[in-house]
Amino acid sequence: QVQLQESGPGLVKPSQTLSLTCTVSGGSISSADYYWSWIRQPPGKGLEWIGYISYSGRTYYNPFLKSRLTISVDTSKSQFSLKLTSVTAADTAVYYCARAGVAAPHGDWGQGTLVTVSS
Amino acid sequence: QSVLTQPPSVSGAPGQRVTISCTGSSSNIGAGYEVHWYQQLPGTAPKLLIYDNTKRPSGVPDRFSGSKSGTSASLAVTGLQAEDEADYYCQSYDSSLSGFWVFGGGTKLTVL
Repeated sequence: QVQLQESGPGLVKPSQTLSLTCTVSGGSISSADYYWSWIRQPPGKGLEWIGYISYSGRTYYNPFLKSRLTISVDTSKSQFSLKLTSVTAADTAVYYCARAGVAAPHGDWGQGTLVTVSS
Repeated sequence: QSVLTQPPSVSGAPGQRVTISCTGSSSNIGAGYEVHWYQQLPGTAPKLLIYDNTKRPSGVPDRFSGSKSGTSASLAVTGLQAEDEADYYCQSYDSSLSGFWVFGGGTKLTVL
């Protein structure tokens, strides 16, 4: 069973860049059958899809975040990463990494990591 | 606002049946894109509950069922149990703005 684990700073200052990494184990990140997603959930609110990447590096971004967003993959480390620039308090959320099938839902999720944007 | 609209809350007594609606538009559910449902227990990550409108992943009880018609979808829970108390989210794909995954705002199911 694939496992995903988020890691990164829990506190980021306003206007700075939020950086997170997801490590995949128990399954190959290089499979053409899957996309690797980031999804976030502000405290007490609903889910928002951020974007995803294929093993080959092809990316799909939420158009409302696209201008601030970069998702990358490092297959040698079995990791994919998120960078979100110019953060504000509105970016405070639990950030999840997840695996989705091609044209399929997100069947596997990490446990999530809380990132707070505050000075 | 979320692209997909769900009621903020629903409730039911143990053993009863409840339904949760998910209303979209012609650029997502109405365009024929599949609807998926997730269950989120307090303090945990979401779990896939229903996929492709009506299918259950292995291990999901058949008390949970999904349906889709036009620009809407529904999740039904029969024989309510205390452990069903959770937040439920629908998800689909939206073809506007070059396309992206969208979620409903979530529905809190309370077992009375």
